[in-house]
Amino acid sequence: GAVVSQHPSRVICKSGTSVKIECRSLDFQATTMFWYRQFPKQSLMLMATSNEGSKATYEQGVEKDKFLINHASLTLSTLTVTSAHPEDSSFYICSAPGRGQDIQYFGAGTRLSVL
Amino acid sequence: AQRVTQPEKLLSVFKGAPVELKCNYSYSGSPELFWYVQYSRQRLQLLLRHISRESIKGFTADLNKGETSFHLKKPFAQEEDSAMYYCALAEYGNKLVFGAGTILRVKS
Repeated sequence: GAVVSQHPSRVICKSGTSVKIECRSLDFQATTMFWYRQFPKQSLMLMATSNEGSKATYEQGVEKDKFLINHASLTLSTLTVTSAHPEDSSFYICSAPGRGQDIQYFGAGTRLSVL
Repeated sequence: AQRVTQPEKLLSVFKGAPVELKCNYSYSGSPELFWYVQYSRQRLQLLLRHISRESIKGFTADLNKGETSFHLKKPFAQEEDSAMYYCALAEYGNKLVFGAGTILRVKS
């Protein structure tokens, strides 16, 4: 089946720094990718839809200047958490729809801890 | 707004007992519903979707439009079924709206 690779799996950074998370679709192309945030013991909340060749679409309440998304190619989307603060600490997950478009394939997630 | 409700945070059953994980939804159109599963230390993955009407690992889920439900069922639970289960609804543009998730614990 399709595989989505997410990197890094864990990152610890100081408050005020920026962190980049990569999401790659392996052996398939994804014109759309999705970024989710998951708080402890809570569900996944969609943050934004990453669109190859155009601007990302952000969900209501998500700061686009805080969470920069770049869909550089048909296999790569990046999420940059700018000027990270402790409240940005969370588990970030990306997904990409497979060939049929209705099944999502998920990355393993990135645990961000901001000190 | 579209919503997916999973009322149980934790469901604990004995091995061999029947399992039913509840999911209710609200959606203005014709819904596409899924069950995703996350086993310990693994990524989220698709378990089944309503349009395929298939049984995966012994699990089935029937879409009941009258009750706006998509409950996940298995007649005989196995220990390896222990995991977090998410019910999800697909919106336009393939966006998924997830329920809060239910932890299934199968005890021996």
